[in-house]
Amino acid sequence: DAGITQSPRHKVTETGTPVTLRCHQTENHRYMYWYRQDPGHGLRLIHYSYGVKDTDKGEVSDGYSVSRSKTEDFLLTLESATSSQTSVYFCAIGSGATDTQYFGPGTRLTVL
Amino acid sequence: GQNIDQPTEMTATEGAIVQINCTYQTSGFNGLFWYQQHAGEAPTFLSYNVLDGLEEKGRFSSFLSRSKGYSYLLLKELQMKDSASYLCAVNTPQAGTALIFGKGTTLSVSS
Repeated sequence: DAGITQSPRHKVTETGTPVTLRCHQTENHRYMYWYRQDPGHGLRLIHYSYGVKDTDKGEVSDGYSVSRSKTEDFLLTLESATSSQTSVYFCAIGSGATDTQYFGPGTRLTVL
Repeated sequence: GQNIDQPTEMTATEGAIVQINCTYQTSGFNGLFWYQQHAGEAPTFLSYNVLDGLEEKGRFSSFLSRSKGYSYLLLKELQMKDSASYLCAVNTPQAGTALIFGKGTTLSVSS
C-alpha cells in the first residue's frame, strides 16, 4: 500500500470556523489530489497539485484553498466552514494521468 | 459535459458471477479505472484499461470498448467480502491527471 496518511481522521466544527486538513505521503509522488465524497454524488475533485507550490482548481473548488510547500504535504483549508462542506474528504497521490491514484484513509468532517 | 453512468445497486449470491457496467461520455479519453470501496474505507485500485479488450486479474476482469464508451467489471466466484461499492473513473485530457468518477455501484453479496 502507498504511504499516505490524513489528519485529523474525524472533526466536528461549527459554521464559520476555519478548518485545515492535512495529507502526508512518503512515496515521493508528484501529484496530489483532494476529493470530497457525498451520497448521490460520488467522488468529486476539489483541488490538485502537480508539484511544490503548483496547484489548480477542480470541479468543486469554491470555499476551499490548498497549499503545498513540500513534496510530502498537501493542505486543504476551509476558510469559513459551512454546513454544505460536511463530507468525507479523501486525499490521493499519483505519478501521472495514466498512473494509478492511491487514496488516503479519509477525513470525516461535520460542520454544525 | 462529462458524464459517467453506473447502476446504483446490484445484488448477487455467493459463488455467482456479476457484471457491473459503466458508460461514459467525455471530451477525450486517456484511460478508465475501477476502484473498490468498502463502507467507511478508502477506495482501492482494481484495474486500468486504456486499450479495447479484456484485462483479467484473478477473480476480477475489466473490459473496455472505446468506440462505445463502455466498460464493465466482471467479478467471478463471488465472496461475501466482495460486498462493497465499485467506482468507475475516467481520465481525460481536460481533467489533467485527475479522475472523473461515476457515482458508484453498491454490490451486496448474500449467502
